[in-house]
Amino acid sequence: TQLLEQSPQFLSIQEGENLTVYCNSSSVFSSLQWYRQEPGEGPVLLVTVVTGGEVKKLKRLTFQFGDARKDSSLHITAAQPGDTGLYLCAADRGSTLGRLYFGRGTQLTVWP
Amino acid sequence: SAVISQKPSRDICQRGTSLTIQCQVDSQVTMMFWYRQQPGQSLTLIATANQGSEATYESGFVIDKFPISRPNLTFSTLTVSNMSPEDSSIYLCSVESGLLPEAFFGQGTRLTVV
Repeated sequence: TQLLEQSPQFLSIQEGENLTVYCNSSSVFSSLQWYRQEPGEGPVLLVTVVTGGEVKKLKRLTFQFGDARKDSSLHITAAQPGDTGLYLCAADRGSTLGRLYFGRGTQLTVWP
Repeated sequence: SAVISQKPSRDICQRGTSLTIQCQVDSQVTMMFWYRQQPGQSLTLIATANQGSEATYESGFVIDKFPISRPNLTFSTLTVSNMSPEDSSIYLCSVESGLLPEAFFGQGTRLTVV
């Protein structure tokens, strides 16, 4: 069973549309990260959220950590083709130092 | 942040052979992590490598198949032994930097076993 359930698994949209990706769990986390991965590259860290209810913005990307620290969402406004990639959420349970649990990922394709 | 160099970036290998993947970090780190990733899929942790001790393997991964070396605080290797086509995958090393477990990755090694 997957500790982090990410949805949707695939998302194909037109440039200019908005989208939201979800990362859910029944477990409580110390922190949660979002990564973006492009073909042929390793994942790149976008943001870390730590506090329940926290909202962080990175240009057109808005990240939210649930109040209970069990879930998170990533919202992209006016998507662009450069946003295309695999989006991964990962979480730290605070028990084993450095052990991150990754979601299955959301493959986003933005068409011009 | 940390800069990680991983090589080779890709390889095509014959079944039954072994491949060693190298991971070099630009700073000293306590732990290094090795992941496997099927194309377009998420990451599965293979093992955690600490300097000066045996690597800790996740369920489903064993040392005989994936031996790991960690000779110093900036370098690690992962060997994929006695390869079969099922080992075809992307292998990634990562380190964590800062107070939070934020991961930084190498560019990955795309392995194809024929």
